[in-house]
Amino acid sequence: NAGVMQNPRHLVRRRGQEARLRCSPMKGHSHVYWYRQLPEEGLKFMVYLQKENIIDESGMPKERFSAEFPKEGPSILRIQQVVRGDSAAYFCASSSWVGAEAEGEKLFFGSGTQLSVL
Amino acid sequence: RKEVEQDPGPFNVPEGATVAFNCTYSNSASQSFFWYRQDCRKEPKLLMSVYSSGNEDGRFTAQLNRASQYISLLIRDSKLSDSATYLCVVKGYGGATNKLIFGTGTLLAVQP
Repeated sequence: NAGVMQNPRHLVRRRGQEARLRCSPMKGHSHVYWYRQLPEEGLKFMVYLQKENIIDESGMPKERFSAEFPKEGPSILRIQQVVRGDSAAYFCASSSWVGAEAEGEKLFFGSGTQLSVL
Repeated sequence: RKEVEQDPGPFNVPEGATVAFNCTYSNSASQSFFWYRQDCRKEPKLLMSVYSSGNEDGRFTAQLNRASQYISLLIRDSKLSDSATYLCVVKGYGGATNKLIFGTGTLLAVQP
């Protein structure tokens, strides 16, 4: 029973390049969340997606960042023209559904992608 | 004011000690509350949910005070393996969002 899978674990990019982070949710989960954790800071919500839909992107920077969760395949967080301030750990999490039941509220996290921008 | 506030610590305690963490949240409409644990540079893992009636899981006890918008976590008989950052988490409110809002965490270091 594989958990949330993220790849790559480590990603190094030079300023101005593009970064693509992938996340495959747990089997049976259709809700995906992306969080960013800067050094010495807490996790900040970025975006919440269901298959083919962005539900809440209130935490996404207005420019250069985009996310998708296609019908087939993993969720992708894309950062264009990366800058040094984008260096952080990016965590993906998944859950089964939105509702009153406790199980649906629990998020299961992947191991994260550590992005380093040179 | 931050949506979820925690004392960052660090809390340095000897093995066997009892330690308590506190957390406050700003939105009175919040419905669900959790404690997560994060080890250094790893993913957060759910420790326990927090209910109004309070709940206990082994050495861990969580309490919720809705009137004061306050959440606590008590760890009894601390072990070295309890050393980690403890994250207070509140479920976001409004619409269909299920997002969790994380505090910045409280660092616990259990000393031998």
